[in-house]
Amino acid sequence: GDSVTQMEGPVTLSEEAFLTINCTYTATGYPSLFWYVQYPGEGLQLLLKATKADDKGSNKGFEATYRKETTSFHLEKGSVQVSDSAVYFCAVFSGGYNKLIFGAGTRLAVHP
Amino acid sequence: EAQVTQNPRYLITVTGKKLTVTCSQNMNHEYMSWYRQDPGLGLRQIYYSMNVEVTDKGDVPEGYKVSRKEKRNFPLILESPSPNQTSLYFCASSLDRELYEQYFGPGTRLTVT
Repeated sequence: GDSVTQMEGPVTLSEEAFLTINCTYTATGYPSLFWYVQYPGEGLQLLLKATKADDKGSNKGFEATYRKETTSFHLEKGSVQVSDSAVYFCAVFSGGYNKLIFGAGTRLAVHP
Repeated sequence: EAQVTQNPRYLITVTGKKLTVTCSQNMNHEYMSWYRQDPGLGLRQIYYSMNVEVTDKGDVPEGYKVSRKEKRNFPLILESPSPNQTSLYFCASSLDRELYEQYFGPGTRLTVT
């Protein structure tokens, strides 16, 4: 079945460091891909999305490119801030199951 | 303000005592869903509803019930809670079947002793 694999955390970085969180997926066809973010004590919020191959989603300095050939959707940010500390979830919309399938989440901790 | 609300936010209960977690959205969304979040497992879907009176099982429906009598409300019912249902629960809603963006509630942390 469809699935999402994310790099395990926690990821600990210093402020202004470069961030990459890896995400790969297994799905049939051309699913839409998403990154959600969960700040402490809150629900998930959509961070960015891409709906077709080679699309780049971007928001708040974060970017991710839909790579069909490698079935990946890695999240990147050039310079992280303390306020970016959160749990990040990669997700794929499964047309076969008509639902979002989430990865296990990656906790990011950014220190001053 | 467009939002999904859940109540209660925190609940500690005992095994076997029936409970209901309410969920309400004010965006006139057709699609609503319940998830549970457990460490290392991400979010797993419990039940979902495509519209009023239309509900279906997700990945982990055992021990849960739902109802959708009104478009805005989608309560989650635990008839006889057990300790393995201790978890963080999220309700979500979306505009249409495509589910391209789900809006999540703030979560309900449930502890069953």
